[in-house]
Amino acid sequence: EVQMVESGGGLVQPGGSLRLSCAASGFTFSSYDMYWVRQAPAKGLEWVSYISSHSSNIYYADSVKGRFTISRDNAKNSLYLHMDSLRAEDTAVYYCTTKGYYYDSSGSPHYFDYWGQGTLVTVSS
Amino acid sequence: QSVLTQPPSASGTPGQRVTISCSGSSSDIARNPVNWYQQIPGTAPKLLIYSNNQRPSGIPDRFSGSKSATSASLAISGLQSEDEADYYCATWDDSLNVYIFGIGTRVTVL
Repeated sequence: EVQMVESGGGLVQPGGSLRLSCAASGFTFSSYDMYWVRQAPAKGLEWVSYISSHSSNIYYADSVKGRFTISRDNAKNSLYLHMDSLRAEDTAVYYCTTKGYYYDSSGSPHYFDYWGQGTLVTVSS
Repeated sequence: QSVLTQPPSASGTPGQRVTISCSGSSSDIARNPVNWYQQIPGTAPKLLIYSNNQRPSGIPDRFSGSKSATSASLAISGLQSEDEADYYCATWDDSLNVYIFGIGTRVTVL
């Protein structure tokens, strides 16, 4: 069974830092690109960052560029998001997610799209 | 940063067909496959449609997707009360190297 469990959220003051983690299991983590997506209270989904399977490509939304750093440790099946210079507008539930194809024993492709349960980050004084 | 345009709301009575549009541009929808997600408030999004018109296993065939040029759409036929949720389209933007979501459409079953 695929599981993706985020942790590290909490209350932080403006200007502070926080590190989110996502522990993945049930699939070959090192084979798949990973994403962070956030959702502010009563707002829509917002993509935050992307990292390719072996960290060769990394992209950020303009809203977090220069403040957030995405990384992964394939040996530990873990994804991270280091967040600096946090602002009130960063308050949101942060989800780790992945999508892609896997192949069954007969070689047939199957698409998957997994999300964690999310971790809440609140930036407030 | 670019965003995909969706109507903020849509509604229908049980059994009706509801269609949600998703408008993008030549650098996003036109070049990349579109996914559709359903989100019940307080829960993680759930994939409904991938690669424009493909349904993952377990998704009823009442849900269907299509794409043409810079637009995509999601249709829900035989609307049911449990379809009340927020629906988001999403795709990659090649020119900006960003993944973008639509603003979301709240579907209400009257």
